[in-house]
Amino acid sequence: SFELTQPPSVSVSPGQTASITCSGDKLGDKYACWYQQKPGQSPVLVIYQDTKRPSGIPERFSGSNSGNTSTLTISGTQAMDEADYFCQAWDITTYVVFGGGTRLTVL
Amino acid sequence: QLQLQESGPGLVKPSETLSLSCTVSGGSISGSSYYWGWIRQPPGKGLQYIGSIFYSGSTYYNPFLKSRVTISVDTSKNQFSLKLTSVTAADTAVYYCARSTAMVNPRFDYWGQGNLVIVSS
Repeated sequence: SFELTQPPSVSVSPGQTASITCSGDKLGDKYACWYQQKPGQSPVLVIYQDTKRPSGIPERFSGSNSGNTSTLTISGTQAMDEADYFCQAWDITTYVVFGGGTRLTVL
Repeated sequence: QLQLQESGPGLVKPSETLSLSCTVSGGSISGSSYYWGWIRQPPGKGLQYIGSIFYSGSTYYNPFLKSRVTISVDTSKNQFSLKLTSVTAADTAVYYCARSTAMVNPRFDYWGQGNLVIVSS
């Protein structure tokens, strides 16, 4: 079955760039999207179709997807960006698949 | 502004059936191109897709849960519902309903606030 793998945690200093990866077999041939989830809240879509930002999502959030890896990049990371991030893709056999999530810590 | 609201019991006994509903406001389930889905999150863990439904009744289920899951829609109430049979402690989770833009390559752009369901005797 199709699976997505994320690092459990990523740390970044305020103002620096954070990169969170999501790996899956030939993920670059699929569309990836990313969700941000803060404690006690529902997930929020921050990137869809690999690179697009929904209305209201700051420009510092960007995405890429190539080969086996999708990457969520947060430029000029702020304390408010500290959250769990989940990638998601679609596979013809398992339908919707989520990565295990990455806890972003802004130190 | 579209809003989704889950409702249902917060405690279910092992071997029984978990039943939740999601009421959609600020938009209509009927006649739209969107799918309506259920996603769950065990405490402290990641997201797991359960399944989706189109207003016409077409459904897609996670193959790992398919034997126990039924998702239905009631367009007259602008609601869709989840039933999960033969629950165990492993089914303890926050259950979210959400709107997805399609069935192929979907993205979930609106989410409910979540309904914690604990499976315990």
